[in-house]
Amino acid sequence: GQQLNQSPQSMFIQEGEDVSMNCTSSSIFNTWLWYKQEPGEGPVLLIALYKAGELTSNGRLTAQFGITRKDSFLNISASIPSDVGIYFCAGPPISGTASKLTFGTGTRLQVTL
Amino acid sequence: KAGVTQTPRYLIKTRGQQVTLSCSPISGHRSVSWYQQTPGQGLQFLFEYFSETQRNKGNFPGRFSGRQFSNSRSEMNVSTLELGDSALYLCASSFDREGTQYFGPGTRLLVL
Repeated sequence: GQQLNQSPQSMFIQEGEDVSMNCTSSSIFNTWLWYKQEPGEGPVLLIALYKAGELTSNGRLTAQFGITRKDSFLNISASIPSDVGIYFCAGPPISGTASKLTFGTGTRLQVTL
Repeated sequence: KAGVTQTPRYLIKTRGQQVTLSCSPISGHRSVSWYQQTPGQGLQFLFEYFSETQRNKGNFPGRFSGRQFSNSRSEMNVSTLELGDSALYLCASSFDREGTQYFGPGTRLLVL
């Protein structure tokens, strides 16, 4: 089945720094989603991408849908303590519905003051 | 609008027992999907229900089952619990099968 690999696995950064993480797949996706999960909570959708090459922002977050359709990138600018959490990429199967998502392995972000 | 609610939030069971978890979707949402989250396997899709019918199923044994009621509320059941079933079980709802999925806080199950 499809596998989504995220890197880095974890990051320790200082407040104010910019963050970059990526997600790669062994097969193509038509939709890329980025979720954030905080302790004790379910994932929350941050950004959705629907077209190869698309660049979308949500506040300090910017995500890109890779041209090959096999990867996606998430950047966070000027990190703050509330950015702490696990960031997941996800997508529905190419021949399936959006109600069945494959999730990446996650990038754990820690922000120090 | 109230979010997705899951009950109970925490549960401790012993091997061999069975468990039923409940999910109430956002009002008006008709699709409910279930996921299992473990440190080793990450987030994995269990199954999806829409209009009281299972529409998609992940790669889990038959011990995992679910159902959806006419008000879109859903339950999942795990029979003959194994230690490896210890996980966070997440429910997500969407308006339809192609809509954005909104997740509940999950039920944390510990099997002893």
